[in-house]
Amino acid sequence: DTGVSQDPRHKITKRGQNVTFRCDPISEHNRLYWYRQTLGQGPEFLTYFQNEAQLEKSRLLSDRFSAERPKGSFSTLEIQRTEQGDSAMYLCASSLGLTGRTEAFFGQGTRLTVV
Amino acid sequence: GQQVMQIPQYQHVQEGEDFTTYCNSSTTLSNIQWYKQRPGGHPVFLIQLVKSGEVKKQKRLTFQFGEAKKNSSLHITATQTTDVGTYFCAVLVQGAQKLVFGQGTRLTINP
Repeated sequence: DTGVSQDPRHKITKRGQNVTFRCDPISEHNRLYWYRQTLGQGPEFLTYFQNEAQLEKSRLLSDRFSAERPKGSFSTLEIQRTEQGDSAMYLCASSLGLTGRTEAFFGQGTRLTVV
Repeated sequence: GQQVMQIPQYQHVQEGEDFTTYCNSSTTLSNIQWYKQRPGGHPVFLIQLVKSGEVKKQKRLTFQFGEAKKNSSLHITATQTTDVGTYFCAVLVQGAQKLVFGQGTRLTINP
């Protein structure tokens, strides 16, 4: 297992376009998180899944953001009608989600630039 | 919602000096995790603390969880250039079971 992988690593898009990112978690991990990180800030929670169920979505997240995790394996994060303020690093993380085994393993992230 | 505050935001030290970052919460925490993010990299898990007053060591790094489980610290003894990066604390919000991160402390080192 090579850890959490994210695709693409970089994305440049024009304002108003839709973008979709993919995350492949560590295979036995039940929990999957999406975070957004801007320069000098900590990872900001966006949403998370327990298997295929999306358990929480940040109240700060607009309706333009949607995430899925069909079959409880890989996940996608879609941003519709992108805005310049969406420019950030989008991080995916996974964890076993079991008691005592809640540490998160992060992917390399997808850097989004909206021009 | 539950938040953790980290101080300081930045710390610059001479190589060989010690470094400490603090994480504070207004509510009792069930656990706390620490992560390190190198420049240009992604957060990497360091350790988890769950017991009141717990102290764990990893070589030159010492992690503490407060007696009241409302604060935690990470102390690095005799910093090296490889310690450069941003150190985050993170807490697992019970009930919601989501992992929430502090703002981080960015450590830079003068060799």
